[in-house]
This record gives sequence, C-alpha cells and structure tokens, in this order.
Amino acid sequence: QSALTQPRSVSGSPGQSVTISCTGTSSDVGGYNYVSWYQQHPGKAPKLMIYDVSKRPSGVPDRFSGSKSGNTASLTISGLQAEDEADYYCCSYAGSYREVFGGGTKLTVL
Amino acid sequence: QLQLQESGPGLVKPSETLSLTCTVSGGSISSSSYYWGWIRQPPGKGLEWIGSIYYSGSTYYNPSLKSRVTISVDTSKNQFSLKLSSVTAADTAVYYCASLLGSAFDIWGQGTMVTVSS
Repeated sequence: QSALTQPRSVSGSPGQSVTISCTGTSSDVGGYNYVSWYQQHPGKAPKLMIYDVSKRPSGVPDRFSGSKSGNTASLTISGLQAEDEADYYCCSYAGSYREVFGGGTKLTVL
Repeated sequence: QLQLQESGPGLVKPSETLSLTCTVSGGSISSSSYYWGWIRQPPGKGLEWIGSIYYSGSTYYNPSLKSRVTISVDTSKNQFSLKLSSVTAADTAVYYCASLLGSAFDIWGQGTMVTVSS
C-alpha cells in the first residue's frame, strides 16, 4: 500500500483559512468514508482532529472541518491561530483492517 | 479516561528483535469497541501504520512489514505488544501505541524512541 499524497507545506495568516488535501485511490480514500486527520506539534504525539471524513471529536474547535470528493479528502482550518502551526497527517482505511497514512503537511502560520 | 503507555528498550542492535509493550489504563483492553494499534515515525519523517490487534487476538499487519512483525495481546495484564525482527537502521523511529475506535486512532501513547545501532 502506498502512502496517501499530501502537500509538503501550506501557510496562511492569522484569521485566514487554509485547506490541506489528501489524495489516495479508490482502494482507500475513495472507497470508504473512513478518513481521519491528526495534528502533531513538535516532540508530541499526534492528536485526532477529524474522523469518518468530517466528524469532530469532543473538544476539537469547529474551526476544523473535513470533507471528501472522490479519491481526495481535505482538511480546512478557518480562522487560523498561531497554535494551529503544526504538522497534519491524514489517514484512511484501506480495506481488510489496514490503515494508510499520508506523508504529512507542515502548516505555517505567518 | 483511557491512557496508553509504551515501554521497552531504547536501543536495539542490528539483526536483533525490537520488543515493545503498551499498557492500557483507564479502560479494558477487552472492550469490544476498540482495536489496538502500533504506529511509528522515523526521525523527521511521517507516520507509518505497523499493525493492529483485537482483544480476541486477531491481527492485521502492514504488508510491507508483515514478514517481520508480530503483535500480541495479554488481556490479564491489559497490555499489547510489538515484536519486530531482523531490525536495521531503517527501523529507528518513535514508536506509538494507540487505541483504534472505528477507523480512527483516538488515544495515543506519548511514544518511545527506539534506535537501532551496534
């Protein structure tokens, strides 16, 4: 299984919105509504931000939203804040109880 | 509140077997709601799913690691474990254990750094 494709970096100014894409295939992203997104600050464990494409766990701000179209999932962060600067990873179910992660995207808040 | 904690040697010699344990607290590893997973992250690189296990012992592995990986569960100790054989420098990474609820890793351990070096 190949890693999902994410842009290496994105950036935005405080208050703006940014979108991070995650492209897979019909065998993973496109085949199931089981895409999750994780935020990772330096030296920390990843934190679940979105699951099942667009659901937010309790405690995650509604500035974070997820969507999917075909083989591409997206994470949108609106009203950017300085603390949103981190690495973001997507993950998709790939059938037969397998999971596949994206390569990660570094978000810089300018 | 579910918590996970990895433990094991931080240094492993090439060609030997890496062994880690994840201790689950604040909940039962025998919960029918959860699977349990191992994920690793080489220095400066992305996350890689290693494999997952259900409390019954059913296991699922990353095809790229399957020949070298064994994940097991000990319900009496509320623990699950990872063994990775024939390690090389490419296996140097932070290893995380996590709970898998549906298809999302919702709770993560803090991670443990494992270095493969002689």
